Amino acid sequence: GAGVSQSPRYKVAKRGQDVALRCDPISGHVSLFWYQQALGQGPEFLTYFQNEAQLDKSGLPSDRFFAERPEGSVSTLKIQRTQQEDSAVYLCASSSGASLSTDTQYFGPGTRLTVL
Amino acid sequence: RKEVEQDPGPFNVPEGATVAFNCTYSNSASQSFFWYRQDCRKEPKLLMSVYSSGNEDGRFTAQLNRASQYISLLIRDSKLSDSATYLCVVNKAAGNKLTFGGGTRVLVKP
Repeated sequence: GAGVSQSPRYKVAKRGQDVALRCDPISGHVSLFWYQQALGQGPEFLTYFQNEAQLDKSGLPSDRFFAERPEGSVSTLKIQRTQQEDSAVYLCASSSGASLSTDTQYFGPGTRLTVL
Repeated sequence: RKEVEQDPGPFNVPEGATVAFNCTYSNSASQSFFWYRQDCRKEPKLLMSVYSSGNEDGRFTAQLNRASQYISLLIRDSKLSDSATYLCVVNKAAGNKLTFGGGTRVLVKP
């Protein structure tokens, strides 16, 4: 079956521009996560949704970052007034369960954001 | 100090050899442990979960030492296709967010 998909795969933005990154999770998956991966580093947690509810946004680095999942399926990560330090790969992951810590998270291919 | 720490490597491994590496985690409340594999410019993929009793999946063996708070991965009979970055991952009981180490790069050479 189809895995997690993300679009665009690559995005180049000028400093100060707003960007929107889309994630389509695996159909039926309740949980959705966003991670940020800087070059040479491991992914860092940004935010977590259970259905349409954003249960944890503790990893969002500033109020320029905003995520939503209005119908409990597709999610959008928006970054306003992009800065050079926002350059990274943004990974989306989904898992089937609502609360089990052992649920496997399946990752999408990521969106590589470059801010000039 | 990072919550999950790994030797970044690279570990240069002759084809057919055995390689092992560890990671340490700082949060004693961590409940679940995993190794993910990440190829260059690709997404992380689950390699295996790590259980307290230790577990094996083909040529891969994972161990967990809760007392010392470290996790290990051993790869036997290394293949060229094992070249990748191996990410150590922990998950707390509360919430499902994964905490990743920085990754250990393994290069298997003929």
